[in-house]
Amino acid sequence: EVQLLESGGNLVQPGGSLRLSCAASGFPFDSYAMSWVRQAPGKGLEWVSAIVSGGDSTYYANSVKGRFTISRDISKLYLQMNSLRADDTAVYYCAKYRSWNFDLWGRGTLVTVSS
Amino acid sequence: EIVLTQSPGTLSLSPGERATLSCRASQSVSSSYLAWYQQKPGQAPRLLIYGASSRATGIPDRFSGSGSGTDFTLTISRLEPEDFAVYYCQHYDTSPQWTFGQGTKVEIK
Repeated sequence: EVQLLESGGNLVQPGGSLRLSCAASGFPFDSYAMSWVRQAPGKGLEWVSAIVSGGDSTYYANSVKGRFTISRDISKLYLQMNSLRADDTAVYYCAKYRSWNFDLWGRGTLVTVSS
Repeated sequence: EIVLTQSPGTLSLSPGERATLSCRASQSVSSSYLAWYQQKPGQAPRLLIYGASSRATGIPDRFSGSGSGTDFTLTISRLEPEDFAVYYCQHYDTSPQWTFGQGTKVEIK
């Protein structure tokens, strides 16, 4: 089955760190660029970061640049989140990228930043 | 930075009616880079339309997309009960950056 499964979401204090993972199955993961997209509670979608298929180019939204790092290995996508703030609270989705849009999404993992 | 503005914020319709959703870009964009997604409560978004007018795999033909330049439209020809959801438009620019509209909720009247 073609799917993405995120994990690693949790409650973390402001200023803390968290690492999200996304396990891919059912498609040639290493052939596709991947992204993280987040959604704050009751809000819309916000693109966070992207990585090309080979992993040698990465891109970030201005809101997370310098604090978040995207990476990947042979079967998983990661998002290292440092210096977390309350406005980083959101469901984080892993998404497969194809031709300028996102054609497969995981179910998301919730990150809550609060003291 | 391109801003996408969706209207209306909420659309109240009955099953069987036609839904017309608008997405306006702050400057002219390539149709190739415009997509639409559907999101139901508690679920991940699902790609509906890419390249402004091409349906994604498995999407029923009651969904159609159109438009060019700054004005794009998602039309649902006859609303089915499962179509009541929030819809987002999305644009890619070559920075690269990906931008979403704020969403239109289609609710049962």
